[in-house]
Amino acid sequence: EAQLVQSRVEVKKPGESLRISCKDSGYSFSNYWFGWVRQMPGKGLEWMALISAANSDTRYSPSFRGRVTMSVDTSTSTAYLQWNSLEASDTAMYFCARRPSVTGSPFESWGQGTLVTVSS
Amino acid sequence: QSALTQPRSVSGSPGQSVTIPCTGTSSDIGSYNFVSWYQQHPGKAPKLIIYAVNTRPSGVPDRFSGSKSGNTASLTISGLQAEDEADYYCCSYAGTYTPYLFGIGTTVTVL
Repeated sequence: EAQLVQSRVEVKKPGESLRISCKDSGYSFSNYWFGWVRQMPGKGLEWMALISAANSDTRYSPSFRGRVTMSVDTSTSTAYLQWNSLEASDTAMYFCARRPSVTGSPFESWGQGTLVTVSS
Repeated sequence: QSALTQPRSVSGSPGQSVTIPCTGTSSDIGSYNFVSWYQQHPGKAPKLIIYAVNTRPSGVPDRFSGSKSGNTASLTISGLQAEDEADYYCCSYAGTYTPYLFGIGTTVTVL
């Protein structure tokens, strides 16, 4: 069974940069797309970004485009989400998820989440 | 694009059935049979329980079922059990550049 392992907790100050990771311990990393989903405290799920591990084709939600950058490293089977300048409003749990390459596929596997706290 | 509409909460007694509607538009639910449902227990990651409107992944109990009519999808939990108490999110494909549009989430309470 696929397992996505995320960095667990990050505490940062406003204005700092951050990159969180999601390592896929399964097989055939390049056969999948990976996404990030935000969940603010006490709130619902929001899709942020999606990337193909095969060719790094990337899609961003309009709500997050320009604020974050998603990337993959096929040599380590890891997906990343990066901020150049964090804001307090970025405080949230961030889940990575994996889906097959077929259009319309759901997120079948999820990581356990990375809790990001941004506070001065 | 706005989040899909779900009731904030539904409740039922053990053994009863509950249905959670998820309302979208002709640009998302109404155009594609790519509706999925996720279950999330407190402090846990979401778990896929329904995809392609009405298909259950392996290991998901058959008391969970999905359907769609027009711009509205629905999740039905039959024979409600205590462990079904959780948050449930619908999700629809809405095109190449919006592959995932989530609902606002519904809290299911087992009385």
